[in-house]
Amino acid sequence: GAVVSQHPSWVICKSGTSVKIECRSLDFQATTMFWYRQFPKQSLMLMATSNEGSKATYEQGVEKDKFLINHASLTLSTLTVTSAHPEDSSFYICSALLNRVDEQYFGPGTRLTVT
Amino acid sequence: GQQVMQIPQYQHVQEGEDFTTYCNSSTTLSNIQWYKQRPGGHPVFLIQLVKSGEVKKQKRLTFQFGEAKKNSSLHITATQTTDVGTYFCAGRGTNAGKSTFGDGTTLTVKP
Repeated sequence: GAVVSQHPSWVICKSGTSVKIECRSLDFQATTMFWYRQFPKQSLMLMATSNEGSKATYEQGVEKDKFLINHASLTLSTLTVTSAHPEDSSFYICSALLNRVDEQYFGPGTRLTVT
Repeated sequence: GQQVMQIPQYQHVQEGEDFTTYCNSSTTLSNIQWYKQRPGGHPVFLIQLVKSGEVKKQKRLTFQFGEAKKNSSLHITATQTTDVGTYFCAGRGTNAGKSTFGDGTTLTVKP
């Protein structure tokens, strides 16, 4: 149990376009999901906390207008990278909080490359 | 803000040797979690520690949470090549629902 999926697993887009990444908890409901960004050989950097039915909480330095987060249901959160630039190229990982045991389960990640 | 430091950054061991990674938080934690990330993969949850002084074991892995709930360690006995990867700790502060990740310790095992 406690499986989290992400779609797409990788995407290549042109500079200036927008990309949407989906994060789904497949076998449990998650009122809270997290979005992380990971650069090569580095740790996970929390970008924002996504709460079902309310606005996301962004970490300091993360542009909320650039990284749009929507958590419209208990099993789905989306991250949209708007007007993508090459410096947005990264590995984006989501996680869902399994409330009853207070554990985070991670999705497989999405590799974004902006050309 | 809360900072979580992990040492060492890298560890190279011979197969069969033991391995330990340490995690230290600047603030008291409500819990700490450990994850393993294989090269090219995503973090996989290993364990969560909640109680002061808690010790948990998973086969060859031993996890400890300090008495002050500000530090933790992961010890692997008799490493195997399947243990390679980066081990992250993530500490959850007492007032926040989020966890702060350490920089990870990358373990390589020479057969």
